[in-house]
Amino acid sequence: DGGITQSPKYLFRKEGQNVTLSCEQNLNHDAMYWYRQDPGQGLRLIYYSQIVNDFQKGDIAEGYSVSREKKESFPLTVTSAQKNPTAFYLCASRAGTLLGEKLFFGSGTQLSVL
Amino acid sequence: AQTVTQSQPEMSVQEAETVTLSCTYDTSESDYYLFWYKQPPSRQMILVIRQEAYKQQNATENRFSVNFQKAAKSFSLKISDSQLGDAAMYFCAYRSATNNNDMRFGAGTRLTVKP
Repeated sequence: DGGITQSPKYLFRKEGQNVTLSCEQNLNHDAMYWYRQDPGQGLRLIYYSQIVNDFQKGDIAEGYSVSREKKESFPLTVTSAQKNPTAFYLCASRAGTLLGEKLFFGSGTQLSVL
Repeated sequence: AQTVTQSQPEMSVQEAETVTLSCTYDTSESDYYLFWYKQPPSRQMILVIRQEAYKQQNATENRFSVNFQKAAKSFSLKISDSQLGDAAMYFCAYRSATNNNDMRFGAGTRLTVKP
């Protein structure tokens, strides 16, 4: 079955540590996204990528970094510069060919600070 | 920037009854797309229904329908014959037609279904 796989499901970060969240899709989608979800707030865009080797900052990119070396993969690194990293992180993708297409979402990663 | 407002943090409905979730948005654009996503306890986001702003007819998907009022910038979701499996967070979202990567989400409404 095609879909988006995020791992791990739960992740703990120590002070000063960088951690990487994995996102893999087998939908052959061009566009991929990372969102952050905090309690009582909607999803906020961190980064997105429309094609391999290209990505753009979203609304809250500070303290995060991404790469897009393969079409299928779009990992997110939460760096030590992100002072409030505790949140639920969702990866999404879109075929990228039509306006109004829906986003397909992964099952998310809950990141907590030790 | 466009904003999406969901004024009801929590709603509840009796099983088999009908409930309406509210959503308003702010935009200066004339062409855009609106979505309702459901997030059950598994936390995976699932598309419920989608509406194109240029279409006057309200979208319908089985028990789910919308009331799209373009002039009022309102996009409510009606769930008929509510089922226990409808219990979830519901998010309203707006996407610009000129920037396919700019999708704005509301803060969500938590729906409880009582047996």
